Amino acid sequence: EAEVAQSPRYKITEKSQAVAFWCDPISGHATLYWYRQILGQGPELLVQFQDESVVDDSQLPKDRFSAERLKGVDSTLKIQPAELGDSAMYLCASSKRTGASPDTQYFGPGTRLTVL
Amino acid sequence: DAKTTQPPSMDCAEGRAANLPCNHSTISGNEYVYWYRQIHSQGPQYIIHGLKNNETNEMASLIITEDRKSSTLILPHATLRDTAVYYCIVRSLNTDKLIFGTGTRLQVFP
Repeated sequence: EAEVAQSPRYKITEKSQAVAFWCDPISGHATLYWYRQILGQGPELLVQFQDESVVDDSQLPKDRFSAERLKGVDSTLKIQPAELGDSAMYLCASSKRTGASPDTQYFGPGTRLTVL
Repeated sequence: DAKTTQPPSMDCAEGRAANLPCNHSTISGNEYVYWYRQIHSQGPQYIIHGLKNNETNEMASLIITEDRKSSTLILPHATLRDTAVYYCIVRSLNTDKLIFGTGTRLQVFP
């Protein structure tokens, strides 16, 4: 069964450093999402791509976060500079755009970021 | 999107049915009910979704009341591996966004 791949699985960094996370969606899935999950809470959407275009980045802290999906396949989420409050699980999800009903999102294993 | 209410935690004996309730009294006609679960330190896993009819797949059954104001996820024979946080999400056809609450933490015990 195809899965969403993410790397690294764990990342420890010091505040003010730059970090980057990578996501490879399920093959053929045009829509890609990045979520952030703070410990004890549910995931929150940061950014949504349709192919290579950003559809929704209203919750992305644009002063320090950036996301790209240059060829419409894999994606990178970057934080620069990292702050203590960025410690969280960063989840990538993908879905196939069918249009017939809400697309089911499939999640990767996540990257757990710890900022010291 | 309509708001959902779930109990914060539940227990279930291994081998018994786990019935997880969800209240979504403000759901509108074009909104679906989705269930995901998240096992510790993993990404959320899709379980099932429905609009108004009851649904069943290899993982679970979803029972939606006739007025659609509440639903129940049923795991027919819970195992220890079903211990997880279960999220009930109401989602419109017009949006791709999933809005997660805090879910129900299900503990399956031997």
